[in-house]
Amino acid sequence: SQQGEEDPQALSIQEGENATMNCSYKTSINNLQWYRQNSGRGLVHLILIRSNEREKHSGRLRVTLDTSKKSSSLLITASRAADTASYFCATDEPGGSYIPTFGRGTSLIVHP
Amino acid sequence: DAGVTQSPTHLIKTRGQHVTLRCSPISGHKSVSWYQQVLGQGPQFIFQYYEKEERGRGNFPDRFSARQFPNYSSELNVNALLLGDSALYLCASSMGQGDTEAFFGQGTRLTVV
Repeated sequence: SQQGEEDPQALSIQEGENATMNCSYKTSINNLQWYRQNSGRGLVHLILIRSNEREKHSGRLRVTLDTSKKSSSLLITASRAADTASYFCATDEPGGSYIPTFGRGTSLIVHP
Repeated sequence: DAGVTQSPTHLIKTRGQHVTLRCSPISGHKSVSWYQQVLGQGPQFIFQYYEKEERGRGNFPDRFSARQFPNYSSELNVNALLLGDSALYLCASSMGQGDTEAFFGQGTRLTVV
């Protein structure tokens, strides 16, 4: 099964800066989703982008999807200390049950 | 509305023992999935159940089993525990199969000693 791979593995920035995380995957997808996880607890769904969409916004979050490059990016603008967390992308394949496959995540630290 | 609830939140077991983890989905959700997350890794898919039937299974040994009850709650069972089974076990619920958002519980932290 395919797996999204996030890049970078870790990112450290100052409050107010933008944070960009990338996700690459291997085969065609139905959807791609981004999740946040605080301190090894449950995952929180951030945004879903479908394979026929190129960009979506949600508050300070902007997600892009390039199916030709099999990649997605998550941009967090004007970051806050509370954005410190691990961020995961998850993909699912067309035609099957919706079983999101997760990458290893990007660990984001936002310094106040 | 209550979110996805998992119990217990933490537990410590000894190698060779058996463990049962429980998950209650969001009201109205009929699909439950289980994930294992080892420290420093992303969640790895174990099982998906929909309408009390297994609809997907990840690459885990037969020591792992699960079931879904008529009220859509679910149990994950792990037999003959190994040290490597130590992980955060996450349950996610969604309204149905297919193109729907998954909502995760806070997880059960299992430590095998």
